[in-house]
Amino acid sequence: DQQVKQNSPSLSVQEGRISILNCDYTNSMFDYFLWYKKYPAEGPTFLISISSIKDKNEDGRFTVFLNKSAKHLSLHIVPSQPGDSAVYFCAAIPTQGGSEKLVFGKGTKLTVNP
Amino acid sequence: EPEVTQTPSHQVTQMGQEVILRCVPISNHLYFYWYRQILGQKVEFLVSFYNNEISEKSEIFDDQFSVERPDGSNFTLKIRSTKLEDSAMYFCASSTWTGGVDGYTFGSGTRLTVV
Repeated sequence: DQQVKQNSPSLSVQEGRISILNCDYTNSMFDYFLWYKKYPAEGPTFLISISSIKDKNEDGRFTVFLNKSAKHLSLHIVPSQPGDSAVYFCAAIPTQGGSEKLVFGKGTKLTVNP
Repeated sequence: EPEVTQTPSHQVTQMGQEVILRCVPISNHLYFYWYRQILGQKVEFLVSFYNNEISEKSEIFDDQFSVERPDGSNFTLKIRSTKLEDSAMYFCASSTWTGGVDGYTFGSGTRLTVV
């Protein structure tokens, strides 16, 4: 049951370039989408979110785009920095029943090379 | 910045033993959660807790698992009789759930190893 999919297990980019991390979902009943960043031996750290009624949210170097018709969202990091190297998780919160659980993708490991 | 604190950071236990994983959520948060991540797999929801009762649980959260908020600050996950397949990172999280998902905060996790 893979409701949230991150099909790229890894991504490598040069410092200063754009990183684009992708996420697809199968359930139309998601209310919010979130991106988390995770370093080894640490818990997921919230990065940025987007409501299902929006198509873009920007916070500094991070922008999340949502394409509801394609059931696709992406996280853009520009410019990428070596400190951005981490595993990035896409997550979603279902609308039904007032659920607050997060449904995670498998993650994409981003490596930003100096 | 407020944080969710988990103890211990690493727990090794014999199969069949009971373990209690502890968490101190952020003080003004009202919703509490446990998630786990088996090595190489995705982070999975186990249970949510609000107003001193379970509000939602996954199929993973069977009778071997229980949660408790024994006092005003701690939130615990108990596994009664551990199995090898319970080996995973267990993450506690808390949120205000005022509609702002930004408040959904995770702890650093407890690595549980069942031998």
